[in-house]
Amino acid sequence: DAKTTQPPSMDCAEGRAANLPCNHSTISGNEYVYWYRQIHSQGPQYIIHGLKNNETNEMASLIITEDRKSSTLILPHATLRDTAVYYCIVRPNFGNEKLTFGTGTRLTIIP
Amino acid sequence: ETGVTQTPRHLVMGMTNKKSLKCEQHLGHNAMYWYKQSAKKPLELMFVYNFKEQTENNSVPSRFSPECPNSSHLFLHLHTLQPEDSALYLCASRSGTGDTQYFGPGTRLTVL
Repeated sequence: DAKTTQPPSMDCAEGRAANLPCNHSTISGNEYVYWYRQIHSQGPQYIIHGLKNNETNEMASLIITEDRKSSTLILPHATLRDTAVYYCIVRPNFGNEKLTFGTGTRLTIIP
Repeated sequence: ETGVTQTPRHLVMGMTNKKSLKCEQHLGHNAMYWYKQSAKKPLELMFVYNFKEQTENNSVPSRFSPECPNSSHLFLHLHTLQPEDSALYLCASRSGTGDTQYFGPGTRLTVL
């Protein structure tokens, strides 16, 4: 799997948009960008994934640059319950069992 | 609630004990996974099962023994563990045609 680089930690004020960056400069053409998050002492939770188009669901938006070498996860109106470690992962959509988790970004929402 | 349950949620055991962790998924998925998360380390994949067959063993010591009797249940049998095996053990499942893994809440294991 291609490696990703994320800042170790970020703070965001409650109610504001949280923008979490991820660099994946060695991503291959068939690899998707996935985002998961892990709230303290719980299992990881799937958030969103995409290939090259921007994606949006009820949890977040994913913006992927045109060259696909980086992406940004956007939580539009952060709440205290969004405090978690956020993981950016790249992997092929099929034929690969592994989710290789890095150290992620610890996002803290400030009241 | 992801549809993946794990029991027990917490377990304390001695190094000579034998215990088992249980994972159950109610999603109709065909692939199941065991991960280990030690303190301040990334999640590590341990085992993968597809249609009850083990398809990956990520160089896990033999004191961890997985069992998948059917597509809905996955066990991790533990024996003669070491204190460094203390960690959060996470189960996940995935649809055979899908790409998203759904995780359970984990079992917090402490080996004394």
